[in-house]
Amino acid sequence: QVQLKESGPGLVKPSGTLSLTCAVSGAPINSGSWWSWVRQPPGKGLEWIGEIYHTGNTNFSPSLKGRVTLSVDKSKNHFSLRLNSATAADTAVYYCAKGRFPTNMWGRGTVVTVSS
Amino acid sequence: EIVMTQSPATLSVSPGERATLSCRASQSVATNLAWYQQTPGQAPRLLIYGASTRATGIPVRFSGSGSGTEFTLTISSPQSEDFVVYYCQQYYDWLVTFGQGTKLEIK
Repeated sequence: QVQLKESGPGLVKPSGTLSLTCAVSGAPINSGSWWSWVRQPPGKGLEWIGEIYHTGNTNFSPSLKGRVTLSVDKSKNHFSLRLNSATAADTAVYYCAKGRFPTNMWGRGTVVTVSS
Repeated sequence: EIVMTQSPATLSVSPGERATLSCRASQSVATNLAWYQQTPGQAPRLLIYGASTRATGIPVRFSGSGSGTEFTLTISSPQSEDFVVYYCQQYYDWLVTFGQGTKLEIK
């Protein structure tokens, strides 16, 4: 059974970089799947951030393009998200997920707050 | 970007009363439409994909219909655990987008 778990700092300073990792267990990250990130600001809806294939191919939401970097580490079987120039608007629960949407394989999410 | 609009924002029904949630796309998404259920503090759970196909393990009281731009999620007889938030999502476009959600509450 595939399991995903997000991790990273829960607090990021404004203008800083938000960095998260999604650890994958139960499946090799180079199994031919895409790997995705979604976020949810407090009390709001879901926003797709982007996706990465194990070869490194990526797609990003235009609203975040230029600030987002996705990467895959096959040796650690995890993938990562970096979001530069963070603002309060980036405060959210960040979820990682396996596959392109629709998917039923999500991590439990991790809360990131952007504040000084 | 395809904009997904859900209505109503909040739907009040009595337990056992049929609940009908709506989702509209700003352009046709064919049947590339999914519904998710989200309980507070948890990740979304896939209910329906392909507009009308129930995901594995989803009770038969959940059904989806529609195509093009108009979609409906019906819960035939909501149970207490169903009174949470529901999101629609289109995946017709590579840029997947979600609706803003409908909260189902007990009347």
